[in-house]
Amino acid sequence: ETGVTQTPRHLVMGMTNKKSLKCEQHLGHNAMYWYKQSAKKPLELMFVYSLEERVENNSVPSRFSPECPNSSHLFLHLHTLQPEDSALYLCASSQSTGELFFGEGSRLTVL
Amino acid sequence: AQSVTQLDSQVPVFEEAPVELRCNYSSSVSVYLFWYVQYPNQGLQLLLKYLSGSTLVESINGFEAEFNKSQTSFHLRKPSVHISDTAEYFCAVSLSGAGSYQLTFGKGTKLSVIP
Repeated sequence: ETGVTQTPRHLVMGMTNKKSLKCEQHLGHNAMYWYKQSAKKPLELMFVYSLEERVENNSVPSRFSPECPNSSHLFLHLHTLQPEDSALYLCASSQSTGELFFGEGSRLTVL
Repeated sequence: AQSVTQLDSQVPVFEEAPVELRCNYSSSVSVYLFWYVQYPNQGLQLLLKYLSGSTLVESINGFEAEFNKSQTSFHLRKPSVHISDTAEYFCAVSLSGAGSYQLTFGKGTKLSVIP
């Protein structure tokens, strides 16, 4: 199994839908992250969980709702998104101040 | 707060030619510096990092980067590129001793290796 697994890899949703992105890490790390990657923009940190507690929330709209039920799983719940939310959503994990290990991403298209 | 500037959004280069991808950072305190690589349809992978010690750091696939404090730069170089090096490269900076969640990424440089 790869270190960080994201599902689904591709998601198309309407603005009124509710969907969730899932991330699972098999590396025994104690921190997990959601990043948003849009074309021609720097990678944007959305949320950080360390030891299952949210430690960072970079002014992300409330239509994005993270959940971290345990140190191996991270979800991003999506509700009433806008077309400008279309992007690649990357999950990552790390151990303390170590390097980030990324998943392959979930490509989201909002119609 | 720290910031990162990658001066080139796209760099085309012929196979076996040398390449340099430029990265400059801005910070008033000591930093850690990183280069990540993203191959098509994949997530980012750490290529190399500078935390302390020797200012020249190397990766296992022939890339190297040199930390230049006076010029606030961390340029990535390879003397001879291969087709498989085609990817997007991201420079990142964090404050020394800070957690990984304080990484600031540049906008990325797309390296295209031409056969």
